[in-house]
Amino acid sequence: QSALTQPASVSGSPGQSITISCTGTSTDVGGYNYVCWYQQHAGKAPKLMIFDVSNRPLGVSNRFSGSKSGNTASLTISGLQAEDEADYFCSSYTSSYTYVFGTGTKVTVL
Amino acid sequence: QVQLVQSGTEVKKPGASVKVSCKSSGYTFSSYVLFWVRQAPGQRLEWMGWITAGNGKTKYSQKFQGRATITRDTSASTAYMELSSLRSEDTAVYYCGRERPGGGGALEYWGQGTLVTVSS
Repeated sequence: QSALTQPASVSGSPGQSITISCTGTSTDVGGYNYVCWYQQHAGKAPKLMIFDVSNRPLGVSNRFSGSKSGNTASLTISGLQAEDEADYFCSSYTSSYTYVFGTGTKVTVL
Repeated sequence: QVQLVQSGTEVKKPGASVKVSCKSSGYTFSSYVLFWVRQAPGQRLEWMGWITAGNGKTKYSQKFQGRATITRDTSASTAYMELSSLRSEDTAVYYCGRERPGGGGALEYWGQGTLVTVSS
């Protein structure tokens, strides 16, 4: 199973909005509403930010939102803050009854 | 509160096996699915497989089928991941994670990670 494709890096200034894409195929992202997004700070375990395409776990800021169109899912961070600087990974259920992660995106707050 | 606590750092030689543990607390162990995920230095996350703690049923990523074994001990609320025939490419941080009740691979709680170094 090939990794989902994400941009290597995305940057923005404090207060701006950024969007990270996650492109797969009809056998993963496009075929199921089981897309998740994780935030990972250096040296730390990942943190679930979005599940089932667009749902936020309790305690996650509403500045984080998720969506999907066709084979591409997206994570938008609005009102960018310094603490948002981290790596972000998407994941999706696949037709092989397993899961696949994205290649990862490094978010830099300028 | 829910906690997943993993065993400590391991250093292994090529060809050896490693067994990492993940002890759960703060919830009913048998009611959830536990996943194992690894991350090589500077690399992306990688699914390894999972176990349904209640019935012990497992599923493995094709890449690890036959080389990884996930088990659990319900009396100890602990899951285990054993990886055999280790090679240098298996050097990574190994994480366990508990899936949300709704499924979909959404891991809402994670262990702290276990560094496994494979070196001769």
